[in-house]
Amino acid sequence: DTGVSQDPRHKITKRGQNVTFRCDPISEHNRLYWYRQTLGQGPEFLTYFQNEAQLEKSRLLSDRFSAERPKGSFSTLEIQRTEQGDSAMYLCASSLIGNEQFFGPGTRLTVL
Amino acid sequence: AQRVTQPEKLLSVFKGAPVELKCNYSYSGSPELFWYVQYSRQRLQLLLRHISRESIKGFTADLNKGETSFHLKKPFAQEEDSAMYYCALSGSNAGNMLTFGGGTRLMVKP
Repeated sequence: DTGVSQDPRHKITKRGQNVTFRCDPISEHNRLYWYRQTLGQGPEFLTYFQNEAQLEKSRLLSDRFSAERPKGSFSTLEIQRTEQGDSAMYLCASSLIGNEQFFGPGTRLTVL
Repeated sequence: AQRVTQPEKLLSVFKGAPVELKCNYSYSGSPELFWYVQYSRQRLQLLLRHISRESIKGFTADLNKGETSFHLKKPFAQEEDSAMYYCALSGSNAGNMLTFGGGTRLMVKP
């Protein structure tokens, strides 16, 4: 499968714990995006990378959130001190510059 | 600020009936508009984009700048069209980030 992959697919954690998600983009896609989708809503942009550089962050991305793409390939999204409001589907997408974004299956986070 | 509005959360039609999924946007510049679809238990995927002016799976969408709309239409709905549909906008930002509407669930009844 050469599509975008995300791991884990589901994560249940207790409030206050840290969680980390991984996204593997389509090979050679230089852009990688993170979106968050809550129940009944459309995806909302969080941040994006071009190669290893993080070029834009949404106001939704509080200080508890950090994302990296150290070698310009896979990316990680970490949430520290999780809160119940962080419960959502976290989507990753990748693209070539200016082209269609291809989405991964998402990681569903539940914070108890 | 850019915004996408899909006024209908749910649209239910019978097989063979025409379908129109509404999308309105607000953006001060020249946007690029998209329709994404998510079938049951599948990932979000691009259905069509306004600049390509294609018909995909019988669906078409025309950008109306005067009415700031990008409605999705199909003359004869099929049961396999049942899915979540999201309208999205990419502004003139360098990153091509997408702003999505809230989505419309289309149910096509037999």
